[in-house]
Amino acid sequence: AQTVTQSQPEMSVQEAETVTLSCTYDTSESDYYLFWYKQPPSRQMILVIRQEAYKQQNATENRFSVNFQKAAKSFSLKISDSQLGDAAMYFCAYRSKAGGTSYGKLTFGQGTILTVHP
Amino acid sequence: NAGVTQTPKFQVLKTGQSMTLQCAQDMNHNSMYWYRQDPGMGLRLIYYSASEGTTDKGEVPNGYNVSRLNKREFSLRLESAAPSQTSVYFCASRGGSSYEQYFGPGTRLTVT
Repeated sequence: AQTVTQSQPEMSVQEAETVTLSCTYDTSESDYYLFWYKQPPSRQMILVIRQEAYKQQNATENRFSVNFQKAAKSFSLKISDSQLGDAAMYFCAYRSKAGGTSYGKLTFGQGTILTVHP
Repeated sequence: NAGVTQTPKFQVLKTGQSMTLQCAQDMNHNSMYWYRQDPGMGLRLIYYSASEGTTDKGEVPNGYNVSRLNKREFSLRLESAAPSQTSVYFCASRGGSSYEQYFGPGTRLTVT
């Protein structure tokens, strides 16, 4: 079974600065998806960025980028030019590409609460 | 296009009571999921349905039942609520070969 670990329960950053959230995972599979989700106080789960394991290039979405280290099973999220609206809980998640019993289910980490100071 | 909707948004139950959480999606997705979110544990899969007419257990199915009523709707039932089922419940759906799951707004359930 896959596991996802976020070792930082809380992080904080000054507005306009950069912060990195850490995530490690364990799997025996070679191809899979990794995601970062944002959960603001509204509770809505918002997909921030995704990475496919077979792609070596790190994914980027505007101010959000990842550092994907497949051999180390590490998947960190970098938020540049932090804004007050980035304050939220962030979840790292794993999804197998295999069919059968895994069927698209997401395995989540524990979450990291990000505070942005003005 | 409402996406994934869940009712109710909040609910308080007494131990032993039963209730059904409703979920519906209007995106013609085949796969639907129920997760629960607890502090310090992220979201954990309770049950999922790969397609209409099929359901399977996830990581934490004990104390729950599900029904995939049709392609749109996937309900979660608590037959005899326990305080350990106090949580926030999320429904999600995914279409075909898409990588993305779309989440509903969640239901906060408290069992006293």
